[in-house]
Amino acid sequence: EDKVVQSPLSLVVHEGDTVTLNCSYEVTNFRSLLWYKQEKKAPTFLFMLTSSGIEKKSGRLSSILDKKELSSILNITATQTGDSAIYLCAVGSSNDYKLSFGAGTTVTVRA
Amino acid sequence: NAGVTQTPKFQVLKTGQSMTLQCAQDMNHNSMYWYRQDPGMGLRLIYYSASEGTTDKGEVPNGYNVSRLNKREFSLRLESAAPSQTSVYFCASSDRTPDTQYFGPGTRLTVL
Repeated sequence: EDKVVQSPLSLVVHEGDTVTLNCSYEVTNFRSLLWYKQEKKAPTFLFMLTSSGIEKKSGRLSSILDKKELSSILNITATQTGDSAIYLCAVGSSNDYKLSFGAGTTVTVRA
Repeated sequence: NAGVTQTPKFQVLKTGQSMTLQCAQDMNHNSMYWYRQDPGMGLRLIYYSASEGTTDKGEVPNGYNVSRLNKREFSLRLESAAPSQTSVYFCASSDRTPDTQYFGPGTRLTVL
């Protein structure tokens, strides 16, 4: 069974700090790793990382995939209160149409 | 485009009652999914439909049934609700691959 573990479970930072979130996985026939942001309601897509695209960046957010270590990190620089959310990591396998999600990391950014 | 819509937004049931959660997408996506989200457990897949006419069990299918009514609609039915099914339910859809899933706003279900 596929397994996704995120750490830490939660953290509190102040505006302007840098945050690093971790995701490790065990999956047969790895296809992709995705990061989602969940505020009050539905998760929204941030990044997808694959064997052919191991680094992604968008504004203050960036992510790297380490296929050797079976892990990924999501970095948020110069954090703002609007970055407060649950960040979900998910992995996909070439075996099927499913994504397996981690439990998420709750980030709270204080003004 | 509305994206993925779900009804109802909130529901309270008594143990043993039945109900159907509705989901529809207007993005012409092939695949649709039902998840439940409980505190500290992330999203767990209940059932999914890779394409119209097919459905498959996910991680936690017990106590649920699904129907892929057509390409747009995917419903989730609780035949006899139990307190353990108190959760937030999300529907999602994706195109040819499951990687980028678009989520609906969720249904908050409480079973007393």
